[in-house]
Amino acid sequence: GESVGLHLPTLSVQEGDNSIINCAYSNSASDYFIWYKQESGKGPQFIIDIRSNMDKRQGQRVTVLLNKTVKHLSLQIAATQPGDSAVYFCAERRKTGAQKLVFGQGTRLTINP
Amino acid sequence: ETGVTQSPTHLIKTRGQQVTLRCSSQSGHNTVSWYQQALGQGPQFIFQYYREEENGRGNFPPRFSGLQFPNYSSELNVNALELDDSALYLCASSLDTGGGYTFGSGTRLTVV
Repeated sequence: GESVGLHLPTLSVQEGDNSIINCAYSNSASDYFIWYKQESGKGPQFIIDIRSNMDKRQGQRVTVLLNKTVKHLSLQIAATQPGDSAVYFCAERRKTGAQKLVFGQGTRLTINP
Repeated sequence: ETGVTQSPTHLIKTRGQQVTLRCSSQSGHNTVSWYQQALGQGPQFIFQYYREEENGRGNFPPRFSGLQFPNYSSELNVNALELDDSALYLCASSLDTGGGYTFGSGTRLTVV
């Protein structure tokens, strides 16, 4: 069915530690995956994306890994900071008509001082 | 370059009423998508507009309708509001239908 799920609804890490947020997706035909950060009262903010022909992509302090064999996506945040506290969503782009995004439920990341 | 702006930011309506939400797309973007985000959930795709035409629709009833104008701004209209329509409504613009999406901050709709 249509779903992009997350393994953990909440995650707490110490400031300065690395965090990993996981996501499972169900549609093997999706060609593009995006991680968004959403802070309270704001819309989703693009973090990093990856196309289905890649396994890994790095940004500034963030890395996305894609394992198509098990349909798994992860977001790694290095040296977490208080400003990283937010809800993180993975989204999958379906190439059907409008190429809509299918979002997971989200993981709330809390950075402890 | 301006981002995506939505108005109003908050709105309270009574069940059965109609509401119109507005979105100005990011400069240079010609595609607008609307999403509904219930509390504690991920956004759900409502529909997409490309060059003033609906270009795909999610699992929402016909009382959810939209428009896109020549300047690529867009409206979301919801008729016969129900309590379950209470949510954050997000607009996302992109250049063409498969481009990177920029989201607005949303309109928080409360139906009482």
